[in-house]
Amino acid sequence: SAVISQKPSRDICQRGTSLTIQCQVDSQVTMMFWYRQQPGQSLTLIATANQGSEATYESGFVIDKFPISRPNLTFSTLTVSNMSPEDSSIYLCSVATVDNQPQHFGDGTRLSIL
Amino acid sequence: DAKTTQPPSMDCAEGRAANLPCNHSTISGNEYVYWYRQIHSQGPQYIIHGLKNNETNEMASLIITEDRKSSTLILPHATLRDTAVYYCIVRVASAAGNKLTFGGGTRVLVKP
Repeated sequence: SAVISQKPSRDICQRGTSLTIQCQVDSQVTMMFWYRQQPGQSLTLIATANQGSEATYESGFVIDKFPISRPNLTFSTLTVSNMSPEDSSIYLCSVATVDNQPQHFGDGTRLSIL
Repeated sequence: DAKTTQPPSMDCAEGRAANLPCNHSTISGNEYVYWYRQIHSQGPQYIIHGLKNNETNEMASLIITEDRKSSTLILPHATLRDTAVYYCIVRVASAAGNKLTFGGGTRVLVKP
């Protein structure tokens, strides 16, 4: 399966600031996804990162708060904008290939907002 | 995607088989059953998936009932490193496009 690297692995940020999280894959993949895992909770899909077009956001998530880029088939970024303590979560990138293989996940970015 | 129901937690003895149940009574004919696990501080790890036949790989076995309304993940010889939250997910396995909807999962504790 693909090797997925996320940067940073963790960060502590001040409220009102923004942070961009990177997801790099070692091979070309068709689909890239961003999930959020709030403390003690399960994973929730934020959006699907589409190459060359705007990301597809799930209900409750908006582009102004979570802008996403995907410039090519191996890289995507998620920005958490104007952060508040409620944004303290683990943010995870996952990828899938075109040949029906299961999604695979990075180890996530643990974000704390003070 | 069909909803799944799993027990919130279970304990297993090291070296014994761990049997993790999952109910998915509203599963559709074209939906697969996927199992992932999440070890503390890591991203979810894919374990196995199946449609209607039983499946086995180096990590686990997946037993799906004939009516497909439930399934069981079997870890044949549980080790302490198998302590994790296990997620049962059903979804259509179309060309990599479908999202995964995670429920609460089963928190498995393997004890010495």
